[in-house]
Amino acid sequence: DTGVSQNPRHKITKRGQNVTFRCDPISEHNRLYWYRQTLGQGPEFLTYFQNEAQLEKSRLLSDRFSAERPKGSFSTLEIQRTEQGDSAMYLCASSGGTLNTEAFFGQGTRLTVV
Amino acid sequence: AQKVTQAQTEISVVEKEDVTLDCVYETRDTTYYLFWYKQPPSGELVFLIRRNSFDEQNEISGRYSWNFQKSTSSFNFTITASQVVDSAVYFCALSEVGVNNNDMRFGAGTRLTVKP
Repeated sequence: DTGVSQNPRHKITKRGQNVTFRCDPISEHNRLYWYRQTLGQGPEFLTYFQNEAQLEKSRLLSDRFSAERPKGSFSTLEIQRTEQGDSAMYLCASSGGTLNTEAFFGQGTRLTVV
Repeated sequence: AQKVTQAQTEISVVEKEDVTLDCVYETRDTTYYLFWYKQPPSGELVFLIRRNSFDEQNEISGRYSWNFQKSTSSFNFTITASQVVDSAVYFCALSEVGVNNNDMRFGAGTRLTVKP
């Protein structure tokens, strides 16, 4: 079991560019979550998938953000026209079994917008 | 709306001291789950414990123990005989039960530093 894997680990981009992050969940987990964490804060929920269906989106997820999980396995999070305020750690987590079970997190992708 | 408050921003102790991390939550639901996660300097959140709202029995796991009290909406975490490796940021989280309530709401975290 390799755990939740996120790529890249670090991304530096210029303001206005688009970026895409990838998350590979634990293989048998059907639920996948994206969170954002800024310095000194706890993770903030962005969106949630059950299999390939995106069931929840936070109001934090502006129109510039889009997430997909096309085959119910890996997921991508794209940010278009990045802004400096998008700089944060983007965390992916997955869970399986019954609802509200614990989620297992990846190491995150740290985004810096310059 | 669900909310988690961790009033202690930073705690510093000397190795072998006991330390308690506080967590207070707010929810309108009668059924919910509470979690504690550890985030070491490497950055990956590590799951520690999950409790449901109907189970107020305290739990002990090695040097870790958790005190869940619904009357005060608290879910406190105690580390006994702390060690340097316990240094990390600890997050308390709440998840309400429901078809469309699958996100965990995290507190701001408590940074614990254990000095040798």
